[in-house]
Parts: sequence; structure tokens; C-alpha cells
Amino acid sequence: QKEVEQDPGPLSVPEGAIVSLNCTYSNSAFQYFMWYRQYSRKGPELLMYTYSSGNKEDGRFTAQVDKSSKYISLFIRDSQPSDSATYLCAMSGENTDKLIFGTGTRLQVFP
Amino acid sequence: DSGVTQTPKHLITATGQRVTLRCSPRSGDLSVYWYQQSLDQGLQFLIQYYNGEERAKGNILERFSAQQFPDLHSELNLSSLELGDSALYFCASSPNGGGLYEQYFGPGTRLTVT
Repeated sequence: QKEVEQDPGPLSVPEGAIVSLNCTYSNSAFQYFMWYRQYSRKGPELLMYTYSSGNKEDGRFTAQVDKSSKYISLFIRDSQPSDSATYLCAMSGENTDKLIFGTGTRLQVFP
Repeated sequence: DSGVTQTPKHLITATGQRVTLRCSPRSGDLSVYWYQQSLDQGLQFLIQYYNGEERAKGNILERFSAQQFPDLHSELNLSSLELGDSALYFCASSPNGGGLYEQYFGPGTRLTVT
């Protein structure tokens, strides 16, 4: 079993839809949770990060962490075709720079 | 553009061969990270260097090695290549050793082993 599980998709939604992307994990030591966006043929770019449990909002993006369920989510409101990309969750424990990534969910937003 | 550069963009080579991938971090960044991305395994951390010294090691095979030079650029050496080594190899950099929130990824090198 992988430490971090993520549905690979693809997830196809119409423009304007609310998108929910999720990851589950097994290591209770994880404290730092991140979401990266990766466009085709590009490197990942950091979208959002949270520490421990709770919510964080940045524009159209909201990240949620539920440590009791070992479940994290990224919500995208008013999705745009430019949001079409692969979204990777990543997480890490204390005192380490080592990130454990999910395999990514491919999102397609059609006009 | 993240400011991290990687060369070459594409590399095609045969099994058993040795290749070197190069990474130039963002100006002023001291840490360099190497990752391997394949379809079945996703993005996997290989190794981190900070200011020339190895800082952390992940799932890096013994056939692979890396180093960071005094000018802070880094090279990843892959030897005795196997078909399964075909993947995207990314380099990331961050300003200091605590790079959890500040890892900037390069565009990657696509390695194909035939």
C-alpha cells in the first residue's frame, strides 16, 4: 500500500463547476500538506500548503486537512479551462524536507 | 518560469549506458532536490543537496549518484541504465535547507532508455 493514495482521474468538468480533489494517506506523522499543479510538459508548481489540520483559502482554491481521517482535499471554485492540469498532493513529517507525493489527478475543464 | 534550468530536455539512450543530467538552481538558492516521475510511481524524491553537501536521501538506486558543485549547480548521474529508468527527472531548488514550502521545480529532463 502506498503512503499517499490519489485517484488518477481524469476528472472532466464544465467551466464554472466546483472541483473536489482528494488524497488519503497512511502515515500519521505527516504534518505538512501541499498541493501542486503540473501543466503538461512542465514542472510542478506549488499551489497551496497547510500545516496540521484545518482549512486554508486562496482565491478560488481551498485546501482542507482532516488528520483524524487522514484525508486532504483541494476545492476549486468557478473552474476555468486554464485550470486543466494534473494536481499532485504532497505531504511530509516534521524535521524533514522529504516530500511524499500522490500520483496526481488529471483535471480537464471544458468550455 | 521558475528560474530553475535543466539540460538536456530530452535524452534517448540504450540499456547499460550512463547519462548525466544537469540542473542550475534559481539564483541564490542553496538547496537542490532531484525527483523521478514515472507513470506508475508518480513523483519520487531521490536526493537533496544543500550548499554542496548531501542533506537527505530518498529512494535513490545505487546506480544513481548526484553532486552539487561550488557554483551550486547539480548533476545527477545514472549508470547501467535499465528500461525501467525511463522517466521524467525533475530538479527543484529552494533558498535554504528548510524547503518544504519553497521548492521551485525545473522543466524536467525526459529520459528514454531503449
